[in-house]
Amino acid sequence: EVQLVQSGAEVRKPGESLKISCKASGYRYSNYWIVWVRQMPGKGLEWMGIIHPADSDTRYSPSFQGHVTIGVDKSINTAYLQWSSVKASDTATYYCARHLTLSGAFDYWGQGTPVSVSS
Amino acid sequence: QSVLTQPPSVSGAPGQRVSISCTGSSSNIGAGYDVHWYQQVPGTAPKLLISGNTNRPSGVPDRFSGSRSGASASLAITGLLAEDEADYYCLSYDNSLSSSRVFGTGTKVTVL
Repeated sequence: EVQLVQSGAEVRKPGESLKISCKASGYRYSNYWIVWVRQMPGKGLEWMGIIHPADSDTRYSPSFQGHVTIGVDKSINTAYLQWSSVKASDTATYYCARHLTLSGAFDYWGQGTPVSVSS
Repeated sequence: QSVLTQPPSVSGAPGQRVSISCTGSSSNIGAGYDVHWYQQVPGTAPKLLISGNTNRPSGVPDRFSGSRSGASASLAITGLLAEDEADYYCLSYDNSLSSSRVFGTGTKVTVL
């Protein structure tokens, strides 16, 4: 059974660093890209970026380039999303999902990681 | 802001048919890129409903169907059920932005 399990809810103050994770199981990890998606409170879905576990090839949405870093550790089937300095506007729920190479759909999703940034 | 436009809300009585549009342009749907549809019940992760414009993953009821024409796509729900009340999003690729996948603005479906 394919599963993506994300790390738990986080609370940070502005300026602090943060790293959240997404651990996959149930399939050959290096064969599928992983994507990250943001959902701000009461708002829609936004595609942030994509990474390939086999070679760490990473692409970012122009809206997020330079603001976050996407990484992967294929030895433990885990992808990461990290910030060096969070802002209040980073308050959102973040989802990871598996990207199907042929169709481009995101078929399996993590449960989401809520992030709250407040002073 | 998203480059794929959806109506903010649609509604229908139980048993009725509703349709949600996803309007793009020549750099995304109009360029021939596939459209995928997601259902999101508030507080939960999105669920893939339709992939590759028309394909239903295993387990998705055949009450859900997708289509694409020109620079637009549509999701239809027939035999509307109370459990279909959720937010729905389209997803495609846009070649005007660096490696960008783009979501639609989202549509809230209300079952009256």
